[in-house]
Amino acid sequence: EAGVAQSPRYKIIEKRQSVAFWCNPISGHATLYWYQQILGQGPKLLIQFQNNGVVDDSQLPKDRFSAERLKGVDSTLKIQPAKLEDSAVYLCASSALRQDYGYTFGSGTRLTVV
Amino acid sequence: AQSVTQPDIHITVSEGASLELRCNYSYGATPYLFWYVQSPGQGLQLLLKYFSGDTLVQGIKGFEAEFKRSQSSFNLRKPSVHWSDAAEYFCAVGARGGNYQLIWGAGTKLIIKP
Repeated sequence: EAGVAQSPRYKIIEKRQSVAFWCNPISGHATLYWYQQILGQGPKLLIQFQNNGVVDDSQLPKDRFSAERLKGVDSTLKIQPAKLEDSAVYLCASSALRQDYGYTFGSGTRLTVV
Repeated sequence: AQSVTQPDIHITVSEGASLELRCNYSYGATPYLFWYVQSPGQGLQLLLKYFSGDTLVQGIKGFEAEFKRSQSSFNLRKPSVHWSDAAEYFCAVGARGGNYQLIWGAGTKLIIKP
């Protein structure tokens, strides 16, 4: 079974620029999560999708972050404009059934904002 | 408020020695409990989980964890560590309902001395 694919692996941008991350979950996984992991901290949930609907985006800074999951498959997370404090690893995870917590994580995108 | 505490930011262990990583949680009821490992540049991999039943849980790579309700703890152990165990370890708790989201600890970095 193919894993969760994320791209790019690394990105360096200047503050106030925009950036987009892409995630392709495991085929058939209905639930998709985007996490932000700042160095030295645990992952923080940004947004949770169930198929192509948003379950929870309460911790997504909506003035600058946006995410979509077209057709309930792959997903894009965008930051516009980026701030220095957005420097982090952005992890995507998917699961077939939410209630069994069977998360599979991608390798993440490391964003550096300078 | 629900929280997960991993008291040790770093732990250094000699190769071949035993290991115990601590995890304490604050939660209204008995949550689901998880340990994940993150190697450098990699996503998070599930080591083991506790849902119910036997409070001593066996996981992959020779790890085990014990749920102690009276202490609100879920400590991770390994009898003999290998250099390849050097990584960051995260404890997480999940609700038995709702959006089935994980609450994460800040992680413990394991350093192996040769």
